[in-house]
Amino acid sequence: DQQVKQNSPSLSVQEGRISILNCDYTNSMFDYFLWYKKYPAEGPTFLISISSIKDKNEDGRFTVFLNKSAKHLSLHIVPSQPGDSAVYFCAADSGYALNFGKGTSLLVTP
Amino acid sequence: DGGITQSPKYLFRKEGQNVTLSCEQNLNHDAMYWYRQDPGQGLRLIYYSQIVNDFQKGDIAEGYSVSREKKESFPLTVTSAQKNPTAFYLCASILSSGNTIYFGEGSWLTVV
Repeated sequence: DQQVKQNSPSLSVQEGRISILNCDYTNSMFDYFLWYKKYPAEGPTFLISISSIKDKNEDGRFTVFLNKSAKHLSLHIVPSQPGDSAVYFCAADSGYALNFGKGTSLLVTP
Repeated sequence: DGGITQSPKYLFRKEGQNVTLSCEQNLNHDAMYWYRQDPGQGLRLIYYSQIVNDFQKGDIAEGYSVSREKKESFPLTVTSAQKNPTAFYLCASILSSGNTIYFGEGSWLTVV
C-alpha cells in the first residue's frame, strides 16, 4: 500500500514560471520529508528536506511547504529553468527507511 | 572522494541464473539500502541493513538476498526466484535516521 503518493505523473512548465510539485502521505507518524531529483540512468540526488516541526523550508529557488493536518507537502521551484527538467521524488522517513512516491516528471520548456 | 559505488553499471543475465550487484560506500554510514525502480513505480525498498551482520526485508524482498559482513559493503543477489528482475537497482546509505540518504549511480539489470 503506497504511503507516499505523487498523483501527477508529469508536469510541464514554461521557463521562468513557478513549478509546483505535490505529494500526499497517509502515515501521520512520518516526521521528516525529503525531495529528490533524478535524471535518467542516474541515482537520485538530494534536493531539500523538511522536518514536521516546520511548515516551510527554503533553499535558493526551491521551497518545500508542509501541511501536517492535510498530510500534504509541495515543492515550489521559482523560477523554473530548463535544467530543472527531471523526475522529482517525494520521500518520507519511516524511521528505518525512506518511503518514496512514484515520482513526477517535470519538463521545463524554453 | 567519499561516495557510494555500485557495480556493474549494466548487467545482462540469462533466465535461471543468479547475479550479484555490488555496493560499496566509504562514507562510514551505518545503514544501507537497496531499492528497485521500475517505470511508473517509483522506488521500492528491497532490503535494508542498519548495522553490520543484520538486515531486514523491505517491501519487495522475494527473490532477493543480501549480506552485510562489512560496514562498507552491502551486496544484493538477484536469484532465479525473482520473477521480474529486469529493472534499475539503486543502493543507498545513510549515517543515521533523520539524515540525508545518499544514492549510488545505479545498476541496470536485464534478463535475456
